[in-house]
Amino acid sequence: DTAVSQTPKYLVTQMGNDKSIKCEQNLGHDTMYWYKQDSKKFLKIMFSYNNKELIINETVPNRFSPKSPDKAHLNLHINSLELGDSAVYFCASSQVAGVLETQYFGPGTRLLVL
Amino acid sequence: AQTVTQSQPEMSVQEAETVTLSCTYDTSENNYYLFWYKQPPSRQMILVIRQEAYKQQNATENRFSVNFQKAAKSFSLKISDSQLGDTAMYFCAFRIETSGSRLTFGEGTQLTVNP
Repeated sequence: DTAVSQTPKYLVTQMGNDKSIKCEQNLGHDTMYWYKQDSKKFLKIMFSYNNKELIINETVPNRFSPKSPDKAHLNLHINSLELGDSAVYFCASSQVAGVLETQYFGPGTRLLVL
Repeated sequence: AQTVTQSQPEMSVQEAETVTLSCTYDTSENNYYLFWYKQPPSRQMILVIRQEAYKQQNATENRFSVNFQKAAKSFSLKISDSQLGDTAMYFCAFRIETSGSRLTFGEGTQLTVNP
């Protein structure tokens, strides 16, 4: 009954490779997000999609490309991985409803670039 | 720009006691929402409690309650009857109505509950 799921949970890869992280939510929410948590545990939003449309795009290198095939999925593809990309990446979802909107997070994907 | 500050990087408390985690924020907006999230060692981000800025009454969820002081821009979390399972990193977060659902997080406070 996982509400927001991410795969894989762990990802170890070499510098220069291309990798993808998948996210799925079964809550019926219309908005999904990607956050990056660095080694100091600081969480920062990267992207947000509402009904498959990009609505937030923070200053993120264009090596990062989100893709939303439908409103239940938001995948993150990263090209030419760099050492600084090592972090924990969290997917989240919410139903945009003003006062009641709350984001629910997935379990995170720990990415280690060697 | 909106900022959230958690001035206590680490705290500890004895089991069954009460602890308060501090959070202050800065904004010129009037309509916004505040949240506390918990991140246990499993790394999952779990919503603990939320507060709407227009509500004067402090939110409570079982052993968790907040002290929301809008004028002081303060939003502290009180955990009563602390349990070992409360050991986690706690993040204060903030969202304004016009931010496109963007959550701004504080730096986090690592809480350890000791037996």
